[in-house]
Amino acid sequence: ETGVTQTPRHLVMGMTNKKSLKCEQHLGHNAMYWYKQSAKKPLELMFVYNFKEQTENNSVPSRFSPECPNSSHLFLHLHTLQPEDSALYLCASSQDSGGDEQYFGPGTRLTVT
Amino acid sequence: QKEVEQNSGPLSVPEGAIASLNCTYSDRGSQSFFWYRQYSGKSPELIMFIYSNGDKEDGRFTAQLNKASQYVSLLIRDSQPSDSATYLCAVNDSYQKVTFGIGTKLQVIP
Repeated sequence: ETGVTQTPRHLVMGMTNKKSLKCEQHLGHNAMYWYKQSAKKPLELMFVYNFKEQTENNSVPSRFSPECPNSSHLFLHLHTLQPEDSALYLCASSQDSGGDEQYFGPGTRLTVT
Repeated sequence: QKEVEQNSGPLSVPEGAIASLNCTYSDRGSQSFFWYRQYSGKSPELIMFIYSNGDKEDGRFTAQLNKASQYVSLLIRDSQPSDSATYLCAVNDSYQKVTFGIGTKLQVIP
């Protein structure tokens, strides 16, 4: 266990559904991240939050909506997804967002049908 | 576009041998470098980080950094079947952004 938890671990949703992914870190870190990992592709950074303020949005489609109510919690709200959005979604945290080592949660395996 | 390049493999080594994993990066101003191990179906786990030129050793793992050549490597001595995983190189560039390579799949053959 790295001190970063994610729920749910697996999610199957239809293209018209709305669902949310949750991440919580118990490391006292100030920065949190969402990544997408697809087969045979590098980790894709989606969003960065530092002290609960969004500092980066990597041209992510609006059907993904992040929320960071405090430095320990991060959500990813999903709506009207496409089958190509099926992937492993990873949350990570670090002390700050300036390039510190990151610690990953176990991920949510998302399948869009 | 800042790039981090890795050979996706698979790299096969016999048990007990030294596995050498390599990574090159494009941003000469990059400041810190990380190696993550990812088992199949699991999330990446940090195993090493290095900031200065030279070698950094931790148990069976040695990270090597050569900023002049823009090259970072990970050596695994006495490779074990449990080391079989994908190894991700990550680079913190001059804009304080971390970019991951595609990862090298390592197979240690008993």
